[in-house]
Amino acid sequence: TQLLEQSPQFLSIQEGENLTVYCNSSSVFSSLQWYRQEPGEGPVLLVTVVTGGEVKKLKRLTFQFGDARKDSSLHITAAQPGDTGLYLCAGAPIQGAQKLVFGQGTRLTINP
Amino acid sequence: GAGVSQSPSNKVTEKGKDVELRCDPISGHTALYWYRQSLGQGLEFLIYFQGNSAPDKSGLPSDRFSAERTGGSVSTLTIQRTQQEDSAVYLCASSLLRGGGKTQYFGPGTRLLVL
Repeated sequence: TQLLEQSPQFLSIQEGENLTVYCNSSSVFSSLQWYRQEPGEGPVLLVTVVTGGEVKKLKRLTFQFGDARKDSSLHITAAQPGDTGLYLCAGAPIQGAQKLVFGQGTRLTINP
Repeated sequence: GAGVSQSPSNKVTEKGKDVELRCDPISGHTALYWYRQSLGQGLEFLIYFQGNSAPDKSGLPSDRFSAERTGGSVSTLTIQRTQQEDSAVYLCASSLLRGGGKTQYFGPGTRLLVL
């Protein structure tokens, strides 16, 4: 069974601070996705990374896929209260890529 | 609407009752997924439909759970003889193409509470 471990599970910081969320596995994934979920809604895709070592930027968010395609990170610069939410990483296995494997999520709270 | 819709949005039932959860995917999307999410946690894969292929049921936790997709569109997830541990948010997603690397669009979920 492939697992994705996300850390930290909970993070509460002040507006303007930087933060990094990690997603780690012992398994290789063909791609990895990051989602953000707000209360009462389904997850919304933020980014997909496919190539080992790939870095993608989405405004103040920077996503990186590990060289070995086993891990990923999400870095937020100058966090804003609007960044508050549940962040989920999800990996597409090499075999059976239609069944995404989700991490347990990081609940992020940005305090004004 | 253009997105994935699910109904009901909330369901409270008594232990032992059967429940049916409905998902309307985005029109034209050939793949449909059901996931279960416990309070504030990650998503657990339940079942996957792709076109006319046999569904991948490998994530269903027990034989009390079943799902069907009629006419390649609407899907119903049925839970028979509900148990308290079935309480969770049940999320449906659809995608245009098969493969986990393709974007899955999620519905808002059905919040199930089994008393």
